[in-house]
Amino acid sequence: ETGVTQTPRHLVMGMTNKKSLKCEQHLGHNAMYWYKQSAKKPLELMFVYNFKEQTENNSVPSRFSPECPNSSHLFLHLHTLQPEDSALYLCASSLKLGMTEAFFGQGTRLTVV
Amino acid sequence: AQSVSQHNHHVILSEAASLELGCNYSYGGTVNLFWYVQYPGQHLQLLLKYFSGDPLVKGIKGFEAEFIKSKFSFNLRKPSVQWSDTAEYFCAVNSGGGADGLTFGKGTHLIIQP
Repeated sequence: ETGVTQTPRHLVMGMTNKKSLKCEQHLGHNAMYWYKQSAKKPLELMFVYNFKEQTENNSVPSRFSPECPNSSHLFLHLHTLQPEDSALYLCASSLKLGMTEAFFGQGTRLTVV
Repeated sequence: AQSVSQHNHHVILSEAASLELGCNYSYGGTVNLFWYVQYPGQHLQLLLKYFSGDPLVKGIKGFEAEFIKSKFSFNLRKPSVQWSDTAEYFCAVNSGGGADGLTFGKGTHLIIQP
C-alpha cells in the first residue's frame, strides 16, 4: 500500500456515458497528478495540481475534466470518451511539486466500448 | 520539452547475471532523475533518485544508477539479479526547478529466469 487509493479499480463505460475516477491520499502531500498508461507507450502526464490549483494541463482533450476539491482528493471526470481512451489511469501524489518522490496508486483500468 | 529514451524494451537474464538498463534524456537544463519499478500486479514504486551531489546513487534492493551529465544518461545497474527482480522498470525525469510532473520512458520489461 502506498497511501494513494484509487477507485474504482476497473471501469467499463460506453462512449455516451459520464463517469468519474477518484483518487485519495492521506499522506499530507500537496501535489497530485493524473497519468495515463497505455500499452507500448510511456506514461503520459495529464494534469498536475499543487495546493488544489491546476498547474499543468498536458494538452488533454476536454472530454477529460479534473477536479481537486482539496489536497487529499483528486477526481477525473469522463464524458463522451473514445475507444482509444481505454488505458490504465494512474493517480500520484508528492509532498512537494516535482522535487520529491511521487507515490502512485494502483490505477483504474478503463475500457471504453 | 523533455523526453526519456529507454533502449531495451524487453530484457531476459538468468539469476546472478549482472544488469544494466539504459536511460537517456533530452533536456538542456538541470534535471532530477528517477527510476521506478512496477512488480506484477503492483503499483509503481521508487527505486532510486538523483537530485544533486554524488552522481552514483544507491537505491533499494541492491540497485544503483549513475548520472553521466555529458552523456545525458542515468543507467540502472545491479551486479547480481534475482528472480524477484522480474518487473517493469521506468526511467523518469523532471526539470531541476521541480515545477512540473515526471516525464517517463516507455519502460523495460525485465524477466529473470531461475
